[in-house]
Amino acid sequence: SQQGEEDPQALSIQEGENATMNCSYKTSINNLQWYRQNSGRGLVHLILIRSNEREKHSGRLRVTLDTSKKSSSLLITASRAADTASYFCATRGSSNTGKLIFGQGTTLQVKP
Amino acid sequence: EAGVTQFPSHSVIEKGQTVTLRCDPISGHDNLYWYRRVMGKEIKFLLHFVKESKQDESGMPNNRFLAERTGGTYSTLKVQPAELEDSGVYFCASSKRQFSTDTQYFGPGTRLTVL
Repeated sequence: SQQGEEDPQALSIQEGENATMNCSYKTSINNLQWYRQNSGRGLVHLILIRSNEREKHSGRLRVTLDTSKKSSSLLITASRAADTASYFCATRGSSNTGKLIFGQGTTLQVKP
Repeated sequence: EAGVTQFPSHSVIEKGQTVTLRCDPISGHDNLYWYRRVMGKEIKFLLHFVKESKQDESGMPNNRFLAERTGGTYSTLKVQPAELEDSGVYFCASSKRQFSTDTQYFGPGTRLTVL
């Protein structure tokens, strides 16, 4: 596989708590993106972090990127029941290819 | 603006039969991608069209899979003959450009079950 693991594979928390998901990758990248998939729906783009960035925020989302460790984390603060979904990281390579390489995903359940 | 649409949403076929999946990208998006997720595994890239041309088909698993995008609008993905291991969810995505920072917008997927 070209992509590494996402950790944890499943996460269950209470509403209001923070959720942290990690992603590792194997190849050099141009950027890393996080997607969310609600059950039975398509993937929704959440946030993109470029390879020269270390941290990025969007609303309740915080993404970090450590290219030396080839890893990224997604933090969702003050989680809500509506955040229940699967979360995937995806990388774009250094060349101008359109191909996204996905991790296996983390299934997040937020209990009300 | 309508999003990416896929048809059918579900398909159940017998091994050896043929199935054709359809994807309608967002209007004006020249780039169209196919991905699939087989059970328990990661989402994998299949191929990328720029308009009607195949830019990258490195992810196509074998010659039982045929993708077309005549006229550079909608795309079809035909599986003939289908095998059990083809079961999974097939996603289509589109983007306006193919720059690495361009967002790919995904459809809801077609769930294919081969019995």
